[in-house]
Amino acid sequence: NAGVTQTPKFQVLKTGQSMTLQCAQDMNHNSMYWYRQDPGMGLRLIYYSASEGTTDKGEVPNGYNVSRLNKREFSLRLESAAPSQTSVYFCASSDNGGAFQETQYFGPGTRLLVL
Amino acid sequence: LAKTTQPISMDSYEGQEVNITCSHNNIATNDYITWYQQFPSQGPRFIIQGYKTKVTNEVASLFIPADRKSSTLSLPRVSLSDTAVYYCLVASNTGKLIFGQGTTLQVKP
Repeated sequence: NAGVTQTPKFQVLKTGQSMTLQCAQDMNHNSMYWYRQDPGMGLRLIYYSASEGTTDKGEVPNGYNVSRLNKREFSLRLESAAPSQTSVYFCASSDNGGAFQETQYFGPGTRLLVL
Repeated sequence: LAKTTQPISMDSYEGQEVNITCSHNNIATNDYITWYQQFPSQGPRFIIQGYKTKVTNEVASLFIPADRKSSTLSLPRVSLSDTAVYYCLVASNTGKLIFGQGTTLQVKP
C-alpha cells in the first residue's frame, strides 16, 4: 500500500513549456486535491475533485488544468509554465465524497522550477 | 471563508508540553478544526480534528472553547522529532480548505 504517489519528484522547465504532474492513490478514496506551497507559506488549494468525473477550482486555479482520469489518478497540467509557478506541488486524497473535514493524505510532493 | 491566524514560530525544550493556539474568528457552524504536521521535504500529515470541547488521541489533544473562535493544539512532552511546522485548518463539507500560515515549532535539547 503506497498511499499517494507523485511523479516526477523534481522538474526544471523553461518559461512557456508545458508539463503534467501525475498523482495516484491506492486507498480507493473518492476525493483528490492539488496544492502548491511556496517558501515560508502554507498550502494553497489549486483544484480538487470530489469524486470521479468532477473537478472544481480552488483558491489559485489560474494557469492550471486538471484531469480526474479515473478514481485512482488526478493529474495537474501547466500549459505554458511561468516563473511564478515555481513551487512545490502536493497531491492529496481523502475518503469523503467532497466533505472537507475528512482526513487528507498527502503525497511526497513535486518540486518544480520554472526558469 | 474562515481564516486562521497562528503564531509564526515557537521554541520549546525536550520533555515540555507545547500549546499552539489558532484563531478562527469567522468559523461557520459546519466547520471543523483540523491540525496537520509537516516535516521538511514532506507532505503534511494529519494530527487531530475536532468540532467542539476536547479531543485527545495518542499524539495530541485539541481544546476548543464554546464559542469555537479559537483552538489550542497541545503536544505533551515534546521531543526533538516534533520539530516541524504545524498547520491549523478550518473546513466544512461545502467550503474550501484554508490553511493557516503555520507555526514552526523548534524543539531544543
